[in-house]
Amino acid sequence: ETGVTQTPRHLVMGMTNKKSLKCEQHLGHNAMYWYKQSAKKPLELMFVYNFKEQTENNSVPSRFSPECPNSSHLFLHLHTLQPEDSALYLCASSRGENNEQFFGPGTRLTVL
Amino acid sequence: GQNIDQPTEMTATEGAIVQINCTYQTSGFNGLFWYQQHAGEAPTFLSYNVLDGLEEKGRFSSFLSRSKGYSYLLLKELQMKDSASYLCAVLDSNYQLIWGAGTKLIIKP
Repeated sequence: ETGVTQTPRHLVMGMTNKKSLKCEQHLGHNAMYWYKQSAKKPLELMFVYNFKEQTENNSVPSRFSPECPNSSHLFLHLHTLQPEDSALYLCASSRGENNEQFFGPGTRLTVL
Repeated sequence: GQNIDQPTEMTATEGAIVQINCTYQTSGFNGLFWYQQHAGEAPTFLSYNVLDGLEEKGRFSSFLSRSKGYSYLLLKELQMKDSASYLCAVLDSNYQLIWGAGTKLIIKP
């Protein structure tokens, strides 16, 4: 238990669906991250929020839309995804952007 | 471009010692992290090096040479539960973590 929770743990969706991933951290951290992890590939940083402000958007397609209503919660809204978007989506938080990151258990996403 | 290299897979025997290497080429350097990730689970923090030298933490040690762009993770007295992927990540000049693809470590009895 790292203090970072993610829901749902598993999600299967069609290409025309709209769904949201939720992340919550109970560590009092100021920075939160979304990562995509595909088999045998490095973790891909998608978005970074620091004090609720988005500081990084690594050329992520607009079908992924993040939302950070406060420093404890982070959402990833999904719409019209493609099969190649199937992956493990990990949320992480850290005290600051240069501190160790604590990861949630991830959401295993399958796009049919 | 930025690049982190580590072996894809390694095999070792229970009770033995294994060294997992990581070389990096990044725009700037603000530290190197090692994480452990068991199959189907989240990565968990193992170590952080920002100065040259060896940092020891129980059975695990991590070494850094900034001039060579090189680090290794040393695991002693291997246990079956050490079977996992080990991820090397470098914090670049923009304080962005650049990740390696991970080394899958298989421990045999």
